[in-house]
Amino acid sequence: GAGVSQSPSNKVTEKGKDVELRCDPISGHTALYWYRQSLGQGLEFLIYFQGNSAPDKSGLPSDRFSAERTGGSVSTLTIQRTQQEDSAVYLCASSLALGGVGYTFGSGTRLTVV
Amino acid sequence: QKEVEQDPGPLSVPEGAIVSLNCTYSNSAFQYFMWYRQYSRKGPELLMYTYSSGNKEDGRFTAQVDKSSKYISLFIRDSQPSDSATYLCAMSGMVQGAQKLVFGQGTRLTINP
Repeated sequence: GAGVSQSPSNKVTEKGKDVELRCDPISGHTALYWYRQSLGQGLEFLIYFQGNSAPDKSGLPSDRFSAERTGGSVSTLTIQRTQQEDSAVYLCASSLALGGVGYTFGSGTRLTVV
Repeated sequence: QKEVEQDPGPLSVPEGAIVSLNCTYSNSAFQYFMWYRQYSRKGPELLMYTYSSGNKEDGRFTAQVDKSSKYISLFIRDSQPSDSATYLCAMSGMVQGAQKLVFGQGTRLTINP
């Protein structure tokens, strides 16, 4: 596609429920990144993929968070047993190759846990 | 101490003013220095980037990097209301064998007509 597509754009969920956030990167981009942006905070790195592989999962806040990428394309970020502190905007970015510049961000998924 | 420090503002200036946005960083391994602009309810978009030290100009925007001081700046000349957004600095490089991209907190800028 022309840009990075994220869905849903908004998600309201009850505390304790699981949610899945989807990212569709730019076609041909091998690297994919997930960030979290809380109100008044910068972008917090969560995880990146090179192809389907995620070499560094240390940025995930807890074991309730997991992510996968299939076919070198679409990625899903799953949050289990959501908590109120998970409320944030979850941003996905992709780039042709790992590192350097040229990250293209999606518009994000605004998650609200009530 | 955060790896990248950026004053969150908010910063409010009149139209036509020169705006100066700054970030400091602590990791000398960073090689690429970027500025992203983020409009409300949108993802960040790359505005400018610089590799290593020096200046780069693009229209009304100038990015400066001083690696000796670990200090980067973005200048906006003849600021316009459409420049109102959050500006995030970011820097990347190989850190302990892994590619790392780190963002500042972002500065919320408002240009008043």
